[in-house]
Amino acid sequence: GAVVSQHPSWVICKSGTSVKIECRSLDFQATTMFWYRQFPKQSLMLMATSNEGSKATYEQGVEKDKFLINHASLTLSTLTVTSAHPEDSSFYICSASGQGYGGELFFGEGSRLTVL
Amino acid sequence: AQSVTQPDIHITVSEGASLELRCNYSYGATPYLFWYVQSPGQGLQLLLKYFSGDTLVQGIKGFEAEFKRSQSSFNLRKPSVHWSDAAEYFCAVGPSNYQLIWGAGTKLIIKP
Repeated sequence: GAVVSQHPSWVICKSGTSVKIECRSLDFQATTMFWYRQFPKQSLMLMATSNEGSKATYEQGVEKDKFLINHASLTLSTLTVTSAHPEDSSFYICSASGQGYGGELFFGEGSRLTVL
Repeated sequence: AQSVTQPDIHITVSEGASLELRCNYSYGATPYLFWYVQSPGQGLQLLLKYFSGDTLVQGIKGFEAEFKRSQSSFNLRKPSVHWSDAAEYFCAVGPSNYQLIWGAGTKLIIKP
């Protein structure tokens, strides 16, 4: 299958700072990428869907000014958590889909954010 | 409301024993049904999916799942588990590949 990689795997930051998480498709062109948030012992929650070259579509209840998503190329999407606060601490996961894979989603390893 | 329930937070099974992970869902119509596995340090990987047709679906790594419409269930099974199957397993349902509602996951622990 295709490979999706996230960076960093974990990050610790101070409250009020911004953090950027990258999601890369390593061996295919990702026309669509998805960002999720996962709380401990809870299910994945879809945050937003991004298509290359377009603005991201955010799910209800997700603050677009807090979670900035950029999908500037067919192999890279970024999630920036702006002015992070402790309640933003979570596990963030991305997935990607591309042509030729029958709609299958390929997931990154996830990025754990801890805001102090 | 649409939801996915995985009743078991964690399950412990001896190596070589059979496995069944439960998944129940609440959805307006028959959705697409998925099982994913997440091994430590790795991304979620699709094990199998059901869209239509034969209700017994074969997946990778020797897993299978059976869709039972009357019970709104899509349980995952494996006849004989290996230590490498230790991971977290997620059931998901939705109207397509992308708009998924996820269960909270079941952590599988393998006893030697």
